[in-house]
Amino acid sequence: GENVEQHPSTLSVQEGDSAVIKCTYSDSASNYFPWYKQELGKGPQLIIDIRSNVGEKKDQRIAVTLNKTAKHFSLHITETQPEDSAVYFCAARGDYKLSFGAGTTVTVRA
Amino acid sequence: GAVVSQHPSRVICKSGTSVKIECRSLDFQATTMFWYRQFPKKSLMLMATSNEGSKATYEQGVEKDKFLINHASLTLSTLTVTSAHPEDSSFYICSGGAGGRNEQFFGPGTRLTVL
Repeated sequence: GENVEQHPSTLSVQEGDSAVIKCTYSDSASNYFPWYKQELGKGPQLIIDIRSNVGEKKDQRIAVTLNKTAKHFSLHITETQPEDSAVYFCAARGDYKLSFGAGTTVTVRA
Repeated sequence: GAVVSQHPSRVICKSGTSVKIECRSLDFQATTMFWYRQFPKKSLMLMATSNEGSKATYEQGVEKDKFLINHASLTLSTLTVTSAHPEDSSFYICSGGAGGRNEQFFGPGTRLTVL
């Protein structure tokens, strides 16, 4: 089955700086890669996703890049704000189900 | 994005009782619903996948007789934890997916505490 690894597990950044989270996946058949933000006590919220036929996608301060050859994808958050503090999960989907990374706890220092 | 609700948001029950959690897709038809379990500071663990009108497919190691899943309509799925024990205490999250689309939309989760 699919195995997704995510790094780092924790990330502390100064407000206004950028945050980068990286994930690798094992199944070359995976074709959909979403990123979720989860706040304490809440369900995950889809923030951005990318399909395997696209190399990069951007939505305001959030961008995702995908390297199919190397089987890794990354989340970039620019101009971080305190409200960006949360746990972020990457995921990969090959057949019908998502395989999740272990999560990254992002803390934005004011 | 699409909206998924869960009810209840929190439940406390005594050991040996059964608890039902509802998951509803409010503004789309969820042909597939997924049930996850999440332990503190851990990732989401898929328990089972259900398609409307079909029996659920359980992941390895998940007891189907303990975690009963029903997906009777395109907008409602239920998870019943039968004969709950303290080790079943966890955060249970459902998600819905519409046919032909990749996206999964998650509910807000249900915190189950078994005393």
